[in-house]
Amino acid sequence: QVQLVESGGGVLQPGRSLRLSCAASGFTFNTYAMHWVRQAPGKGLEWVAIISYDGDKKYYADSMKGRFTISRDNSENTLYLQMNSLRAEDTAVYYCARDAGETDACDIWGQGTMVTVSS
Amino acid sequence: SYVLTQPPSVSVSPGQTASITCSGDKLGDKYICWYQQKPGQSPVLVIYQDTKRPSGIPERFSGSNSGNTATLTISGTQAVDEADYYCQAWDNSVLYVFGTGTKVTVL
Repeated sequence: QVQLVESGGGVLQPGRSLRLSCAASGFTFNTYAMHWVRQAPGKGLEWVAIISYDGDKKYYADSMKGRFTISRDNSENTLYLQMNSLRAEDTAVYYCARDAGETDACDIWGQGTMVTVSS
Repeated sequence: SYVLTQPPSVSVSPGQTASITCSGDKLGDKYICWYQQKPGQSPVLVIYQDTKRPSGIPERFSGSNSGNTATLTISGTQAVDEADYYCQAWDNSVLYVFGTGTKVTVL
């Protein structure tokens, strides 16, 4: 079945770096754009970034520009999010989600991976 | 920046209709989608392109979008519909934006 599985979350100190992964299965990964979306504890959803199906185009939320990098490996059906200079306010569950194309919606979501930034 | 505003909470009795609004400047000119999120779970797409339901979403979920307001309507609300609901749109200033979220309580 169509599935997205995130991994790589953890507890780390401010200023450190972390790379999240999202393994895709059950669909043709290299034909879909992909998103990262995060949710701070008890808060709403916040869009982080999107990458085109071929990895050529990447766009970020303003608050994430310069610190976060989205990438993908279509040969491994895997999406990544490299997060640098982490701050306490980056503490959140990070979801990967499949872009549904022209609908501007995310039709498939992973279960999320928790990132906690704390000294 | 572009902001989508939702009421923090909506209460509804079982079997009644729940309406959740999402307000934004010229929202009717954009496609809106809606997500349902139950505690401890990932979001689920329930409406896309303003009015369309993905496969597997019950018919009691419907959507509309006009002017500055989009509405998600749950007809014949059931206890299983108790969840947080988020609208989402695409805007060329902020790209993808989520609404502030609405907690639906079925009393």
